[in-house]
Amino acid sequence: TQLLEQSPQFLSIQEGENLTVYCNSSSVFSSLQWYRQEPGEGPVLLVTVVTGGEVKKLKRLTFQFGDARKDSSLHITAAQPGDTGLYLCAGAGGSYIPTFGRGTSLIVHP
Amino acid sequence: ETGVTQTPRHLVMGMTNKKSLKCEQHLGHNAMYWYKQSAKKPLELMFVYSLEERVENNSVPSRFSPECPNSSHLFLHLHTLQPEDSALYLCASSQGSRGPTSTDTQYFGPGTRLTVL
Repeated sequence: TQLLEQSPQFLSIQEGENLTVYCNSSSVFSSLQWYRQEPGEGPVLLVTVVTGGEVKKLKRLTFQFGDARKDSSLHITAAQPGDTGLYLCAGAGGSYIPTFGRGTSLIVHP
Repeated sequence: ETGVTQTPRHLVMGMTNKKSLKCEQHLGHNAMYWYKQSAKKPLELMFVYSLEERVENNSVPSRFSPECPNSSHLFLHLHTLQPEDSALYLCASSQGSRGPTSTDTQYFGPGTRLTVL
């Protein structure tokens, strides 16, 4: 069974701070996706990383896929209140259904 | 309407009630999913339909009964639920060349917040 561990589970920061959240596994994934879920809504895809060592940037968000394709990180620069939400990672590979982590709940205070 | 829509957005029901959740996707996708999202747990896959045939049933109790009448609509029929079934129920859809694969991007609806009293 493939598992994805996300850390930290909760994060509460002030506007303007930087943060990094992690998604780790002992399994290798062919690709990994990051979603953001806002309160009362479903998850929305932010990015898919495919190649080991790959780095993708989406405005103030930087996503990295580990060289061994077992882990990933999401770094947010100068966080804003609009970044508040639950960040989920999902790994593909093995089963035809992606494996989801439990998520990191981020609150950015104005 | 665009994307994936779900109705109702909120539902409160007693343990003896029968209700149904509805999902509609306007993306032309060929696979649809039901997930359960509970606090402090990963998203739990319940059912997958590909080309209107059920291809996954993750040991879900029989009090949950899915129905997929066509590629755009998915229902979850609820009967004699338990309080522990209270959760956010998410519908998603994806497009795969030959049915669902784990690399396909899933597009989620807003969910139905279910409370069982």
